[in-house]
Amino acid sequence: GDSVTQMEGPVTLSEEAFLTINCTYTATGYPSLFWYVQYPGEGLQLLLKATKADDKGSNKGFEATYRKETTSFHLEKGSVQVSDSAVYFCALKEDSGGSNYKLTFGKGTLLTVNP
Amino acid sequence: KAGVTQTPRYLIKTRGQQVTLSCSPISGHRSVSWYQQTPGQGLQFLFEYFSETQRNKGNFPGRFSGRQFSNSRSEMNVSTLELGDSALYLCASSRAGSYEQYFGPGTRLTVT
Repeated sequence: GDSVTQMEGPVTLSEEAFLTINCTYTATGYPSLFWYVQYPGEGLQLLLKATKADDKGSNKGFEATYRKETTSFHLEKGSVQVSDSAVYFCALKEDSGGSNYKLTFGKGTLLTVNP
Repeated sequence: KAGVTQTPRYLIKTRGQQVTLSCSPISGHRSVSWYQQTPGQGLQFLFEYFSETQRNKGNFPGRFSGRQFSNSRSEMNVSTLELGDSALYLCASSRAGSYEQYFGPGTRLTVT
């Protein structure tokens, strides 16, 4: 079945450092890919998405490119802020013509940004 | 527009009891999905409802069930609670045909 593997955390960075969180996936067909963020005590918020190969999702300075050849969707940000401290989840939605809303998630990566 | 709401936010139950959690989707969203989040297993898909019909189901025992009402509100029920059912239960809603799911804040269930 479908699966998502993302780098184990925790990741600790200083403010303004460069961030990369690796994510690879296993799926049949052409899944849609997502990054979600979870702040302490809250539910998940969609950060960005990509629905086909070579698409680049971007939001709030974060970017991720859908690489089918390497089955990857790595999250990057050029300069992190303390407010980016959260848990980040990579997820996929299988290619089922839009009738299947099941998301498969990675284990999550805790990011802590120090001032 | 109001977001996804879940009630209650916190719940403490005893082993063997049953529990019902409620989710109100964003207005106009007809799909509601449920997920269980635990430190060990991460986020796992429970089931998804669309127009009062269960469309997808994850690999959970029959003690976990759900339903959706005509106004798209959804409930999930867990019977004969076990300690391992302690988790954050998240509900998410989607518009028909959209790739995006919007999550509620979750219900934190503790089983003692």
